Amino acid sequence: QSALTQPASVSGSPGQSITISCTGTSSDVGGYNYVSWYQQHPGKAPKLMIYDVSNRPSGVSNRFSGSKSDNTASLTISGLQAEDEADYFCSSYTSSSTVVFGGGTKLTVL
Amino acid sequence: QVQLQESGPGLVKPSETLSLTCTVSGGSISGYFWSWVRQPPGKGLEWIGYIYYTGTTNYNPSLKSRVTISVDTSKNQFSLKLSSVTAADTALYYCARLSAGRFMDVWGKGTTVTVSS
Repeated sequence: QSALTQPASVSGSPGQSITISCTGTSSDVGGYNYVSWYQQHPGKAPKLMIYDVSNRPSGVSNRFSGSKSDNTASLTISGLQAEDEADYFCSSYTSSSTVVFGGGTKLTVL
Repeated sequence: QVQLQESGPGLVKPSETLSLTCTVSGGSISGYFWSWVRQPPGKGLEWIGYIYYTGTTNYNPSLKSRVTISVDTSKNQFSLKLSSVTAADTALYYCARLSAGRFMDVWGKGTTVTVSS
């Protein structure tokens, strides 16, 4: 299975909105509404931010939202805050009943 | 709430077998899928595999020939064995709960494993 494709880095200023894309195939992202997003601060374990494309776990800010179109999923962070600076990884369930991650995107808050 | 803790040797020699255990506390291991994920230094996340509490497993195709994940429900633990390790297996290894078989909502803090002679 090939890793999902994410941009290596994105940046934005406080208060702005940014979007991170995650591109796969019809065997993973495009085939199921089972994309999840994780936030990872340096030295910390990943934290689930979005599951099943657009659902937020309890306690996650509503500034985080997810969507999907065909083989590409997206994570949007609105009202960017300094604390949002982190690495973000997407993940998808696959047709082989496995899980595949994206390469990760470093978000810089300017 | 459910907490996960990885344990095992931090140093493994090349060609030997890496063995890690994840202990689940604050909840039962039954009824869920459990997963291992690793992260080489400075790199992204790589899914290793999962096990259902009944013992059903599925592995990353790229690691399948070397990976075994097992579960001990009596101890509320699941384990990872990775054979014939090389320096490329040096990584931070995480255990996680794989809810509904598709997203990881509880993670351990991770344990670093270095492969070196």
